[in-house]
Amino acid sequence: GENVEQHPSTLSVQEGDSAVIKCTYSDSASNYFPWYKQELGKRPQLIIDIRSNVGEKKDQRIAVTLNKTAKHFSLHITETQPEDSAVYFCAAPPRGSARQLTFGSGTQLTVLP
Amino acid sequence: DVKVTQSSRYLVKRTGEKVFLECVQDMDHENMFWYRQDPGLGLRLIYFSYDVKMKEKGDIPEGYSVSREKKERFSLILESASTNQTSMYLCASIYRGEQPQHFGDGTRLSIL
Repeated sequence: GENVEQHPSTLSVQEGDSAVIKCTYSDSASNYFPWYKQELGKRPQLIIDIRSNVGEKKDQRIAVTLNKTAKHFSLHITETQPEDSAVYFCAAPPRGSARQLTFGSGTQLTVLP
Repeated sequence: DVKVTQSSRYLVKRTGEKVFLECVQDMDHENMFWYRQDPGLGLRLIYFSYDVKMKEKGDIPEGYSVSREKKERFSLILESASTNQTSMYLCASIYRGEQPQHFGDGTRLSIL
């Protein structure tokens, strides 16, 4: 099945700085890569996703880049704010399934005021 | 907007008890999932269901079973709860193969 590795497990940045979280995946057939944000005590919510036919996608202060050759994708958050503090999860579908997702282990992002 | 509702936010049970966690979605989604979330381990898939009365094992099905008698409802069952099943449990659903998955608020289960 799919193996998704996520780094770092914790990340602290000063407010206004950028944050980057990286994930690698094992199945070269994977074609959908979402990022979820989970605030303390709340449900995971999709913040951005990318499909394998594009290399980058942006939505205001967040962006995702995909390198299919190297089998990794990254979440970039610019001009971080305290409300960006949360756990972030990447995911990828396992081989042969468009419905399932294999999740990374999560990154606790703390934005220091 | 998709609404996935889990019946309890917090639940405390004793070892050996039979425990039911319920999940309901209101968007006629065929696919429903149960995950377990533990610090440093991310979300691990326990079971999923593609349709009524259908179920498939995920990555960590041992000690769990599921029931899908109606399309909108997917139940996770701990046949005989043990302390190592203390965790956060998350339910999710999607329509056919159309990502993304939509999550419920989670049930924090403590087994004493």
